[in-house]
Amino acid sequence: QSVLTQPPSVSEAPRQRVTISCSGSSSNIGNNAVNWYQQLPGKAPKLLIYYDDLLPSGVSDRFSGSKSGTSASLAISGLQSEDEADYYCAAWDDRLNGPVFGGGTKLTVL
Amino acid sequence: EVQLVQSGAEVKKPGESLKISCKGSGYSFTSYWIGWVRQMPGKGLEWMGIIYPGDSDTRYSPSFQGQVTISADKSISTAYLQWSSLKASDTAMYYCVRHSGRSGDYYFDYWGQGTLVTVSS
Repeated sequence: QSVLTQPPSVSEAPRQRVTISCSGSSSNIGNNAVNWYQQLPGKAPKLLIYYDDLLPSGVSDRFSGSKSGTSASLAISGLQSEDEADYYCAAWDDRLNGPVFGGGTKLTVL
Repeated sequence: EVQLVQSGAEVKKPGESLKISCKGSGYSFTSYWIGWVRQMPGKGLEWMGIIYPGDSDTRYSPSFQGQVTISADKSISTAYLQWSSLKASDTAMYYCVRHSGRSGDYYFDYWGQGTLVTVSS
């Protein structure tokens, strides 16, 4: 049981847009930034979005993040087959004094 | 170029001890918290704990406190994760991660390639 809640899977056709939700509480998302990680099959995770909506250097601007209250979303536009991966949200939790993750969402590009 | 390079895969028996490593390069190793993340087979990510190599200040997730030991040797820019007595349930991929950003609101900007630990009799 993960502290942050994500849908287990989402799917969409190539060139379309998909969003992945992440729900938390006042001790994590409600009071701290949300970060998103992409894990391609068989690879280590990679930072995709940090501090709610910032893109690290080298990450495509097809990826975007947003946050409202105790929920956050990752949007991916212009879907490509290489976007097929697991996506994890994370946020610092004030009660744990450490980060908590969502359970991960598997994206399938149809 | 920032890199975190982890030690190779391990196969151990229950009850054995193990220490895996993570060597940082391309940045000031003593200036960033470095931590460990577990991923059990087919499962999600779990934060285990962190260490500040500059002064060896160490914090653990309650789920892992007492189960593992995190340490670092700043003279060789290397962090460690160790077990004194492995269990089959320790079978997982372990990633070291560099923590960046605001104090108490970190994100993981660099990840090691992972070390697969298999515990089986």
